[in-house]
Amino acid sequence: GAVVSQHPSWVICKSGTSVKIECRSLDFQATTMFWYRQFPKQSLMLMATSNEGSKATYEQGVEKDKFLINHASLTLSTLTVTSAHPEDSSFYICSATEHTEAFFGQGTRLTVV
Amino acid sequence: TQLLEQSPQFLSIQEGENLTVYCNSSSVFSSLQWYRQEPGEGPVLLVTVVTGGEVKKLKRLTFQFGDARKDSSLHITAAQPGDTGLYLCAGSTLSGTYKYIFGTGTRLKVLA
Repeated sequence: GAVVSQHPSWVICKSGTSVKIECRSLDFQATTMFWYRQFPKQSLMLMATSNEGSKATYEQGVEKDKFLINHASLTLSTLTVTSAHPEDSSFYICSATEHTEAFFGQGTRLTVV
Repeated sequence: TQLLEQSPQFLSIQEGENLTVYCNSSSVFSSLQWYRQEPGEGPVLLVTVVTGGEVKKLKRLTFQFGDARKDSSLHITAAQPGDTGLYLCAGSTLSGTYKYIFGTGTRLKVLA
């Protein structure tokens, strides 16, 4: 199947700093990618839909100024957590769709200290 | 807000037992998927169902999509320790957008 790669796999940052997470579709082009957040022992919550060449669409309750999404090419979407706080610590996962199947990245564990 | 409720939330069974996980919603879905997720990793797709009443089998796993496309079930026969993981259903309400909302999850542990 298609491969979606996230980088980094884990990151620790200080409160107040910003962190960028990359999501790449390695062997296919994705005009749309999705960003999810998963807290421990919970399910995945959709944060936003990343659209190549246009603004992302955010789900209700997700702060667009805090979670900046850029989808500048057909193979790369980035999520930047700005002014991170400990409550932003979570597992962030992206997905991209090829044909009718969604493929997920391996996830990025963010810890804000 | 769409809501996909899974039951049970947690399940601990002995190797060889059968189990069923349910995924229910008040919304109608154009398609529904089931995933399994290991700790620290992204979810892995098990199956996609798109037709009301559809039944799909994947070795010891049987998936069913409700006639009204509002619910689904996953049945595992003769569970093995390797089946341990978080099982997630995910539904898409708009055809073709692949925007999936995930269920609340079922954490399964199969004891040897």
